[in-house]
Amino acid sequence: EDQVTQSPEALRLQEGESSSLNCSYTVSGLRGLFWYRQDPGKGPEFLFTLYSAGEEKEKERLKATLTKKESFLHITAPKPEDSATYLCAVQNSNSGYALNFGKGTSLLVTP
Amino acid sequence: DADVTQTPRNRITKTGKRIMLECSQTKGHDRMYWYRQDPGLGLRLIYFSYDVKMKEKGDIPEGYSVSREKKERFSLILESASTNQTSMYLCASSFRDYGYTFGSGTRLTVV
Repeated sequence: EDQVTQSPEALRLQEGESSSLNCSYTVSGLRGLFWYRQDPGKGPEFLFTLYSAGEEKEKERLKATLTKKESFLHITAPKPEDSATYLCAVQNSNSGYALNFGKGTSLLVTP
Repeated sequence: DADVTQTPRNRITKTGKRIMLECSQTKGHDRMYWYRQDPGLGLRLIYFSYDVKMKEKGDIPEGYSVSREKKERFSLILESASTNQTSMYLCASSFRDYGYTFGSGTRLTVV
């Protein structure tokens, strides 16, 4: 059975204080690993898809990396508007198209 | 207009009532999904559909049914609402194996 574990559950940063969020996964055949951002009361918003170990993607202050067992979402010099819940999900190549989500990391960036 | 629209945004209903949550998408995606999101449990897949009139059970289908008569619409039906179905319901669509586009969610309260 696929498992996705995100840590920490909650993270509080000062503006400009860089950090990383972790997503550990076990899956029989990884088709893709996805990162989403979710603001309160809204649906998740797509950030990145990573397909193979060693792959990296960047968008503004965010950079996602992938190994065979985990993914990191690095946040460089965060701003208060980066405050949100960040969700990680895996897609299993053996069981169709649905995504299996972790429980998320709630990030708060204070001025 | 949003790519994926869910209606209603909020709904309060009584136990035992039959209710339908609607989801429509304008992206021409073939696949659509229904998740529920609960604190501490994350997103859990209820049902998904990979084509018109096709449906597949997700991880927690009990107490729910779905309908997909047109490509752009995917409805979630609670035949007899119960208090443990109080939740945030999220609909998403995708093209093949690519990332999901989510709606803004329907917050359902069953009293």
